[in-house]
Amino acid sequence: DAKTTQPNSMESNEEEPVHLPCNHSTISGTDYIHWYRQLPSQGPEYVIHGLTSNVNNRMASLAIAEDRKSSTLILHRATLRDAAVYYCILRDPLKNQGGKLIFGQGTELSVKP
Amino acid sequence: DAGVIQSPRHEVTEMGQEVTLRCKPISGHDYLFWYRQTMMRGLELLIYFNNNVPIDDSGMPEDRFSAKMPNASFSTLKIQPSEPRDSAVYFCASSPLTSGSPYNEQFFGPGTRLTVL
Repeated sequence: DAKTTQPNSMESNEEEPVHLPCNHSTISGTDYIHWYRQLPSQGPEYVIHGLTSNVNNRMASLAIAEDRKSSTLILHRATLRDAAVYYCILRDPLKNQGGKLIFGQGTELSVKP
Repeated sequence: DAGVIQSPRHEVTEMGQEVTLRCKPISGHDYLFWYRQTMMRGLELLIYFNNNVPIDDSGMPEDRFSAKMPNASFSTLKIQPSEPRDSAVYFCASSPLTSGSPYNEQFFGPGTRLTVL
């Protein structure tokens, strides 16, 4: 699975939107982009995933660049509970059929009241 | 469903002792994963199982580590003998993933914090 690059940390104010970037310049055509987050003292939890089109769910939105070399996780209104480490992970379901996740260092998001 | 259950939540042991970590996956999930998290190395996949069979154990650090899944509802990760560098948080996760599917939601347990003195 290709590598991703994320900023080590970001800050946000409560109730403001947050855009978390992820670069994946070596992404292959069959790599899916997955986002997980890890709240303090908890295991990671799934946030969202996509291939080419932008995706929305109840937690967040995923905006994927047209060339797919980068993507952005969007939290529309950050809350204090969104303070966590956010991981951007690529996975090719054809090559990685078992679904194992390779975590990078992620982005530590802090939210200020 | 109670989610993925891990026990114990905290374990403190002395170097050289055997440690056994336990995991109960979500019922109906076919895949089970063991991860380790440290400040230095982040989250690392150790091993994963499909239908109780180990598929990839390339992340297991050395022969001191072993993992088993005797049935669909139980898995263990054993360290024998334990060393201080094994101190970490160990996570178990399960997934209903269908082989080859792009959908990859893994459900993680709360982790076991292991301290080896």
